[in-house]
Amino acid sequence: GAGVSQSPSNKVTEKGKDVELRCDPISGHTALYWYRQSLGQGLEFLIYFQGNSAPDKSGLPSDRFSAERTGGSVSTLTIQRTQQEDSAVYLCASSPRLSGRFEQFFGPGTRLTVL
Amino acid sequence: AQSVTQLGSHVSVSEGALVLLRCNYSSSVPPYLFWYVQYPNQGLQLLLKYTTGATLVKGINGFEAEFKKSETSFHLTKPSAHMSDAAEYFCAVTKTLAAGNKLTFGGGTRVLVKP
Repeated sequence: GAGVSQSPSNKVTEKGKDVELRCDPISGHTALYWYRQSLGQGLEFLIYFQGNSAPDKSGLPSDRFSAERTGGSVSTLTIQRTQQEDSAVYLCASSPRLSGRFEQFFGPGTRLTVL
Repeated sequence: AQSVTQLGSHVSVSEGALVLLRCNYSSSVPPYLFWYVQYPNQGLQLLLKYTTGATLVKGINGFEAEFKKSETSFHLTKPSAHMSDAAEYFCAVTKTLAAGNKLTFGGGTRVLVKP
């Protein structure tokens, strides 16, 4: 079946502009995660959605970052007033609600470059 | 708080030689441990995971890892490297298996396989 998809695959933007990154999780997966992969910080957790529960935003680096998940499916990560340090690969993952089979399935990522 | 340390950001092995990637963790609760592989321009793919039970875990592509609680380690091995094993490998830890706990990743180890 289809895996996690992310769009765009690459995004180049100018400092100060807003960007939106999209994630389509695997159908039926109730949990959705955003991670950031950068040279300086490695792989970092950003935010997690589970069903209708309040999201875990503990990993968001600043209030310029926000995310939403509409209808329990597609998610959008928004970065406002982008800075050069926001340049990274943003990875989305989804996970099924099946105990004992914990696995996060990752998308190919969106490479963000802030000039 | 949890943390993961991968010893060696780069490892070079000859084709047919043993692959050994080191991972040590710190966790205040019994951990659940994972190894993921990332091929160029792709997302992360699960190689194997330790949850409970047998401490020697076998994964895909001939990889295995052994959970050693006394050493707080979860090293990844493969007896004979193949050219297709060239990739970046990440060790990760989480506190629960619920479909919704964030992964904490190590810094990654990039593997180069020499013919």
